[in-house]
Amino acid sequence: ILNVEQSPQSLHVQEGDSTNFTCSFPSSNFYALHWYRWETAKSPEALFVMTLNGDEKKKGRISATLNTKEGYSYLYIKGSQPEDSATYLCASWAGGSYIPTFGRGTSLIVHP
Amino acid sequence: DAGVTQSPTHLIKTRGQQVTLRCSPKSGHDTVSWYQQALGQGPQFIFQYYEEEERQRGNFPDRFSGHQFPNYSSELNVNALLLGDSALYLCASSLGSGLGEQYFGPGTRLTVT
Repeated sequence: ILNVEQSPQSLHVQEGDSTNFTCSFPSSNFYALHWYRWETAKSPEALFVMTLNGDEKKKGRISATLNTKEGYSYLYIKGSQPEDSATYLCASWAGGSYIPTFGRGTSLIVHP
Repeated sequence: DAGVTQSPTHLIKTRGQQVTLRCSPKSGHDTVSWYQQALGQGPQFIFQYYEEEERQRGNFPDRFSGHQFPNYSSELNVNALLLGDSALYLCASSLGSGLGEQYFGPGTRLTVT
């Protein structure tokens, strides 16, 4: 994988549902992976900075895992709330480059 | 503590003109990165400034240039504007290596007609 790919592109869930998204990135020469939450009309906000294979990070109901050997990261949201509605972006520094590559994001809409 | 600020918020320019966008980093941050986000795409890295020098550059033509001032604020200049330069331009600040957590500004929406 040369680019950063995120799936799904969009997701509609009901309040209380748990959900997860995937970020795939080049598995060679990995340096770092970031997750950001971007709410409409606001600035992107950093959720997690992950650097080590096997990293697991948690912030409230949101958690993320990292597998640098196979080049993927999962973001989990437990018990989604309407305020979780946002676009979730991942960015990787990998493939031997110090230039970050962002995915297109996963748009999450949580219905009350 | 002020976060990252950008100006202007919106801008409309004509093809062929030049534009300057401005960014003030979060207090204490010394690294500024610029991104272009076209509709339906993720942010694309333009370049990064550290200690008043361009440290990294993405795949953008020389029409895109920048500057960082001693107070760490930064400018993005785009010459000879094309219709395809219409996008949201985001500035992000961080500390040191540039691999750490980035704080983003609200962006400048540039429309080229």
